[in-house]
Amino acid sequence: QKEVEQDPGPLSVPEGAIVSLNCTYSNSAFQYFMWYRQYSRKGPELLMYTYSSGNKEDGRFTAQVDKSSKYISLFIRDSQPSDSATYLCAMSRTGRRALTFGSGTRLQVQP
Amino acid sequence: DADVTQTPRNRITKTGKRIMLECSQTKGHDRMYWYRQDPGLGLRLIYYSFDVKDINKGEISDGYSVSRQAQAKFSLSLESAIPNQTALYFCATQGSGYEQYFGPGTRLTVT
Repeated sequence: QKEVEQDPGPLSVPEGAIVSLNCTYSNSAFQYFMWYRQYSRKGPELLMYTYSSGNKEDGRFTAQVDKSSKYISLFIRDSQPSDSATYLCAMSRTGRRALTFGSGTRLQVQP
Repeated sequence: DADVTQTPRNRITKTGKRIMLECSQTKGHDRMYWYRQDPGLGLRLIYYSFDVKDINKGEISDGYSVSRQAQAKFSLSLESAIPNQTALYFCATQGSGYEQYFGPGTRLTVT
C-alpha cells in the first residue's frame, strides 16, 4: 500500500464549477502538506503549502488538512480552462526534508 | 530567467550509453533532489544532496549516480542506460522550509 493515495482521474468539470481534489495518507507523522500543479510537459509548480491541520486560502484556491482522518483536500472555486493540469499532493514529516508525493489527479475544465 | 534549469530538455539515447543530466539553480538553496516521473507512479526520489559534501540515495537509486559540483549544480548520470529508464526527470531545490521548487524537466528516451 502506498503511503499517499490519490485518485488519478481524469476529473472533468464545466467552467465555473467548484473542484475538489483529495489525497489520503497512512503516516500519522506527516506534518507538512503541499499541493503542486503540473501542466503538460512542464515541471511541478508549488500551489499551496500548509503546516499541520486547518485551512489555508489563496485566491480561488483553498487547502484543507484533516489530520484526524489523514485526509487533505484542495478546492478550486470558479474553475477556469487554464486550471486544466495534473495536481500532485506532497507531504513530509518533521526532520525529514524529502517529500512523499501522490501520483497526481488530472483535471480537465471544459469551456 | 528560471530559478532552476535543466539540460538537456530532451534526449534520445541508445541502450548501454552513458548519459548525464544537469541541473543548475540560482535560488541559493543548499538542498537539491533528483526525481523521475512515470505515468501513474508519480514522482519517485532517485538521489538527494543537503550540501556539496552530502549525497544520499533515494528509493530508486540503482543504475544512477550523482555529482554535486557546487552549491548551485547537481548532475545525474546513467552509467549504462536501459529502456526502463525512459522517463521524465526532474531536479528540485529546497531552502530552509519543506517546500521544493522544480526545474522544467528532461524527457529521456532510451531505445
